[in-house]
Amino acid sequence: QQPVQSPQAVILREGEDAVINCSSSKALYSVHWYRQKHGEAPVFLMILLKGGEQKGHEKISASFNEKKQQSSLYLTASQLSYSGTYFCGTEPPRATNKLIFGTGTLLAVQP
Amino acid sequence: GAGVSQSPSNKVTEKGKDVELRCDPISGHTALYWYRQSLGQGLEFLIYFQGNSAPDKSGLPSDRFSAERTGGSVSTLTIQRTQQEDSAVYLCASSSQATQYFGPGTRLTVL
Repeated sequence: QQPVQSPQAVILREGEDAVINCSSSKALYSVHWYRQKHGEAPVFLMILLKGGEQKGHEKISASFNEKKQQSSLYLTASQLSYSGTYFCGTEPPRATNKLIFGTGTLLAVQP
Repeated sequence: GAGVSQSPSNKVTEKGKDVELRCDPISGHTALYWYRQSLGQGLEFLIYFQGNSAPDKSGLPSDRFSAERTGGSVSTLTIQRTQQEDSAVYLCASSSQATQYFGPGTRLTVL
């Protein structure tokens, strides 16, 4: 039931790109993405509703394929500040506002 | 404006003792969530309050865990007869729609 994220961890150099995937075994109404820096609380990045839309936030964007029950987070030209653990939170169609968070992806951006 | 606050920030207790963790949500947010995050792990859903509806307690790991929300605002998570496996960071989040805003968490250590 918990969405699976891949990869589990990724190390990048500044300026490189990364893709983080989130896959659910159940139908989804929406997918939320959060970033958690070490020792801090998770911070909301973006929400994607069913409809296959792609959203962007500076150099971070995401897509949602409701048929495949998958979402991907794209980080382009990564910066040191992108380091942290990324979680997807999935919302099933009949459980409004209740999220099941994924396994997490640790991203480390090095100079 | 003020975000979600939690107290205490750290709690060290002895096995078998009861503990109470407090969450003050963002004013006006109707939904309140409790999560548990063990070291290096993801966000484990515990309980969800939405307005005056009965809480969704489906994530509580045992009957030693309980939570209440008074007056639709402040919430208290109580853990009775604490065990060492209860050691974790307990995060509270609130929302008015879909986006959840997290508090800084309470780090619980059971000796």
